[in-house]
Amino acid sequence: NAGVTQTPKFRILKIGQSMTLQCTQDMNHNYMYWYRQDPGMGLKLIYYSVGAGITDKGEVPNGYNVSRSTTEDFPLRLELAAPSQTSVYFCASSPWTSGSGTQYFGPGTRLTVL
Amino acid sequence: EDKVVQSPLSLVVHEGDTVTLNCSYEVTNFRSLLWYKQEKKAPTFLFMLTSSGIEKKSGRLSSILDKKELFSILNITATQTGDSAVYLCAVLPQGGSEKLVFGKGTKLTVNP
Repeated sequence: NAGVTQTPKFRILKIGQSMTLQCTQDMNHNYMYWYRQDPGMGLKLIYYSVGAGITDKGEVPNGYNVSRSTTEDFPLRLELAAPSQTSVYFCASSPWTSGSGTQYFGPGTRLTVL
Repeated sequence: EDKVVQSPLSLVVHEGDTVTLNCSYEVTNFRSLLWYKQEKKAPTFLFMLTSSGIEKKSGRLSSILDKKELFSILNITATQTGDSAVYLCAVLPQGGSEKLVFGKGTKLTVNP
């Protein structure tokens, strides 16, 4: 199993550009999450999904959108990039039966908006 | 609002020292507490605690939860340079979405 994979690893955007961060998991997990991590800070939840076709906002959803058309994929869309969105983005997944909160993280995408 | 506070925010020690990292929380309907280790990339799971007083151990790392006082500690004995990382504490409240609430982390630096 590859686990949770994310692409790209790095990206530089100009203000106002758009992009999609890809996330795929091959563990058949129902739950998937998007976090951002700013320097010296913990992880903040952007959006999450409890299954295909179901998404909901986390703590910091403004400026982002998600979709979950399949169990495996959970892309994160930035429509009009702003410097405040410069961060490291992590995707994570968790099995339905976890009950403990254990999440498996992807390697992250480092995004810089100039 | 659910909150997780870790202390200290950063710590520098020498190899061989023992360190204790702290995590306190205010969470509605606590379910479990998790510790993650984050080196330069993604967080990796260390421990999950649900019951008070039970110590979880893995090699030189151990953790204990006090549900009455709402805190947990992570101990690392005989530290090595490879223990240098950010240690994240997260709490899972009751609910069906498995949404974790993370602290800001403790940055541990172990010098040779």
